[in-house]
Formats: sequence, C-alpha cells, structure tokens
Amino acid sequence: DVVLTQTPPTLSATIGQSVSISCRSSQSLLHSNGNTYLNWLLQRPGQPPQLLIYLVSRLESGVPNRFSGSGSGTDFTLKISGVEAEDLGVYYCVQSTHAPNTFGAGTKLELK
Amino acid sequence: EVQLVETGGGLVQPGRSLKLSCVASGFTFNNYWMSWTRQAPGKGLEWVASITNSGGSTYYPDSVKGRFTISRDNAQNTLYLQMNSLRSEDTATYYCTRAVSIRRVPVMDAWGQGASVTVSS
Repeated sequence: DVVLTQTPPTLSATIGQSVSISCRSSQSLLHSNGNTYLNWLLQRPGQPPQLLIYLVSRLESGVPNRFSGSGSGTDFTLKISGVEAEDLGVYYCVQSTHAPNTFGAGTKLELK
Repeated sequence: EVQLVETGGGLVQPGRSLKLSCVASGFTFNNYWMSWTRQAPGKGLEWVASITNSGGSTYYPDSVKGRFTISRDNAQNTLYLQMNSLRSEDTATYYCTRAVSIRRVPVMDAWGQGASVTVSS
C-alpha cells in the first residue's frame, strides 16, 4: 500500500499567519490517465472530514481561496495564506491513484 | 444540499454482526460510487469499502475482506455495510462517503456525520 507521510504532525499558528503542510508519498501518485489523485481534507473538532482540495491543486466548491495545493510525483504541499480561527483542526492528505485509498496520519493545526 | 445520514451503530460483542445504513439525499444517488471509511477513537482515517454506482463491483482492503460486505439499494437511495465476525479493532466511527468519478477514478467528496461502532464484551 502507498504510505503518505505528513509533516509536521502538529502546527501552531497565530491568526493571519501563513502555514504549510507537507505530504510525501512512498511512490509516485501520477496515474496512467495523466491525473494525480492527491487530495486534502480538513476535520474540524467533532466533525466529519470535508474535502478542501482535489487533484493536487483544485479547490473544492465553497472552499476559501486562502487554501492552495501544489506538488507532483511524490511531494505535495497544502498552504494556508492567512490562518483564520475556522481553519483549526486536523488536515489529512489522501491518495486514490493506487488501490487501496490511503490517508496520511494527519497534521493538527492549533492556535499558538 | 448533499446529505448522508448513517444509522445502525452501537455496542456489539466480539464475533457478532452489525449492519450500518446510510440514506443519501440532495443528489442523484445512482450516479455516484459510494464508500465507507472509518476512524478509530483518536486515530486517523482508514478506507473500508467501495461500491460502483450500479452496485456491480465492490472493493475492500485486506483488513476487512471476507468479513464486511458493502451493498446499495438505488431505488431507496441507501448504502449498507454488513459487518460480520467483528473484532475489537473494528471499533470506530464509520463514515458514509460519496465518491465522484474523475476519469474513472473515485474521489471522496462528501461525508456523513458518522455512526459509532464499539466492539466489546
């Protein structure tokens, strides 16, 4: 199975600060169809996960544009440009290029 | 608005069975793959099962293969997960998820609130 390694495991930020989360894959996530199926989820406390970004960099409908995704192959990054209070929670990367779908262990974003 | 509502969770003894249901609304159910994903208490996420939009094909990880069965009733907009031979390590919140097909690869894009399953004697 593909292993996704997220760093850092915990991130402390102040409101308005920009932060980045890394997700590294044990193998390339480039699918034979040309797409790269690396997505980002946010799970707020006590809530189910929600999709933020899919196909590396495409923003899900309704997600603020302070979120952005980048990367290719095995290295990917989620950036939040100006953290807001509602952004606190656990961020997961997830891949669906290779069966089975696998998730990173999560990065907890908390207030400093 | 997309809604996924899971029911059927609870406390069950090891070795017994439990069936979860998920009623979908706000979208055309039979156009989408559906999945179950679980989260053990205080832990990360684990994909459990997927089913194609027609129900003709199903997929499982090795951890549940042969014990869990995913199915759907498109006439009732309902997804099911039959869980047999339950183990303590199956204790988790089980999320019903919708998956949109992007060039024939499913991407989970909507999640229910979850159903809690506890396996304990």
